[in-house]
Amino acid sequence: DGGITQSPKYLFRKEGQNVTLSCEQNLNHDAMYWYRQDPGQGLRLIYYSQIVNDFQKGDIAEGYSVSREKKESFPLTVTSAQKNPTAFYLCASSIGLAREQETQYFGPGTRLLVL
Amino acid sequence: AQSVTQLDSQVPVFEEAPVELRCNYSSSVSVYLFWYVQYPNQGLQLLLKYLSGSTLVKGINGFEAEFNKSQTSFHLRKPSVHISDTAEYFCAVSERGSEKLVFGKGTKLTVNP
Repeated sequence: DGGITQSPKYLFRKEGQNVTLSCEQNLNHDAMYWYRQDPGQGLRLIYYSQIVNDFQKGDIAEGYSVSREKKESFPLTVTSAQKNPTAFYLCASSIGLAREQETQYFGPGTRLLVL
Repeated sequence: AQSVTQLDSQVPVFEEAPVELRCNYSSSVSVYLFWYVQYPNQGLQLLLKYLSGSTLVKGINGFEAEFNKSQTSFHLRKPSVHISDTAEYFCAVSERGSEKLVFGKGTKLTVNP
């Protein structure tokens, strides 16, 4: 089955610790995205990548980092600089630039909690 | 810059009643419009989308939405809801040529027996 997988489903972070959230897709999509979801806030864009080895900051990139070494993978690291990391994190992908249908498809999400 | 306003944060309805979830957007260029549904602790699932053509768009689970360019609206409707429609619904807009999708803050639909 084609789709987007995120792991783990739940992740706990201690103070001062970096944690990495995994996102993998087998849809052969060029573009991938990370969003943060807080109650009543909708989804806010953290980072996005349109092609391998390239990525751009979204609206709330501070305290986060990403890499895009492979087309199918776009891991997100929540660094110790992110002072309020507790949230639901969603990964998405789309076919990519220059295509008319920029529909984004979402993974099941990772809930990050601070100990 | 584009923005999306979902006018109701919570909508309670009785089973088999009709429902409308309202969405207005702001953009200076042509847009694509989307509605997503999210069940508790899950990702977002695409309900329907407007790209071009007919302004009335039909989606999954019996939902439909109408694009109104003059009102800059994209309201979601269902003539008769089920308990299983209880979820949070997100409206989103993407400007043509943009890789970004901007979301509204969501509307929680609760269907009561």
